[in-house]
Amino acid sequence: SQQGEEDPQALSIQEGENATMNCSYKTSINNLQWYRQNSGRGLVHLILIRSNEREKHSGRLRVTLDTSKKSSSLLITASRAADTASYFCATATDSGAGSYQLTFGKGTKLSVIP
Amino acid sequence: SQTIHQWPATLVQPVGSPLSLECTVEGTSNPNLYWYRQAAGRGLQLLFYSVGIGQISSEVPQNLSASRPQDRQFILSSKKLLLSDSGFYLCAWSVSPTVEAFFGQGTRLTVV
Repeated sequence: SQQGEEDPQALSIQEGENATMNCSYKTSINNLQWYRQNSGRGLVHLILIRSNEREKHSGRLRVTLDTSKKSSSLLITASRAADTASYFCATATDSGAGSYQLTFGKGTKLSVIP
Repeated sequence: SQTIHQWPATLVQPVGSPLSLECTVEGTSNPNLYWYRQAAGRGLQLLFYSVGIGQISSEVPQNLSASRPQDRQFILSSKKLLLSDSGFYLCAWSVSPTVEAFFGQGTRLTVV
């Protein structure tokens, strides 16, 4: 079943603008991860934020996590045409007996217009 | 460094035919291995995961099965494909389920 739900489903911005994508989830998590997928390709890991962290940065990426609201956001600053891709959040949750699963949302399709 | 290989990249199969997709990982031992399916424009659905040789967990009832005959080899199979099995299949590995996963390039399966 889907754990994370990204919002919006699609986002179109001009090059140089910032892009913000949101993710909501339902159950307690160990961590939340963001991935990027270029069309027809595999996913590439971008950043991981643990449940006891509130904010994390990596280059032009900024991720926040609010466990009380069960939500996360991914901000891409100064977007480039090469940032055009689908972005997915994934939550690592305990599936029982100490076993964890990584469950993905449906993704946000980002288009950056040159 | 670790690498993951998944093949073939594309596959067109008739309904009722068997399926075998292979995934291998290099440069690590005892990885957690995953098979995901992605329908067009949709998120990833976890199909199977494995924490060790011969240990397979299935997430959804379906027409597919998985096997892990060797530590770094993960195979997705079907005896008889259905039209609904069409999709983009992704293999992934991780050191543990609580850290990042590394994905193969995917197999686009079309059942006709």
